[in-house]
Amino acid sequence: GEDVEQSLFLSVREGDSSVINCTYTDSSSTYLYWYKQEPGAGLQLLTYIFSNMDMKQDQRLTVLLNKKDKHLSLRIADTQTGDSAIYFCAPRGGGGNKLTFGTGTQLKVEL
Amino acid sequence: DAGVIQSPRHEVTEMGQEVTLRCKPISGHNSLFWYRQTMMRGLELLIYFNNNVPIDDSGMPEDRFSAKMPNASFSTLKIQPSEPRDSAVYFCASSRDNQETQYFGPGTRLLVL
Repeated sequence: GEDVEQSLFLSVREGDSSVINCTYTDSSSTYLYWYKQEPGAGLQLLTYIFSNMDMKQDQRLTVLLNKKDKHLSLRIADTQTGDSAIYFCAPRGGGGNKLTFGTGTQLKVEL
Repeated sequence: DAGVIQSPRHEVTEMGQEVTLRCKPISGHNSLFWYRQTMMRGLELLIYFNNNVPIDDSGMPEDRFSAKMPNASFSTLKIQPSEPRDSAVYFCASSRDNQETQYFGPGTRLLVL
């Protein structure tokens, strides 16, 4: 099955950019999602990228995909305290609709 | 539009009791997913349905767990008998089709004493 890895913690200062990284193993992954989970809440879809793209920008969010290296990243520009949350990378396996979630990266934004 | 609705939001029960978690998917969505989130194992897919039919239940931990989807707007996940190791947050998600983006409910926080 698919393995998805993320670093557990990231701390940034307010106003700086945050970059959250993810590696995965299934080269047939079709869509790759980023979800955000705030404390005590469910998962909120942030953005996603299709596997034939290498970049997608959506306001403060930029997703980069290196399909050769199976590496996905989420960049948050001008990080705010409201961005503090856990961010999950979730590739969807080729041929199906099962998402495999990474461990999540806890982003802490400091003043 | 209402998102995915789950109930109850919190459940505390004693070991051996039956627990039933409920989910109402987004109207018009025909795929429904049950996930479990724990500190040790992260987010795991338990089972998913397409057009009310269970497609993959390979993630269901054991026979104590069962899930049903009697119609397009309702699903249950039942644990009988419950054990302390079942304590977790259980999420339901739905998608318009089995190839589409999944939208998550707020989760049910289950504590089995």
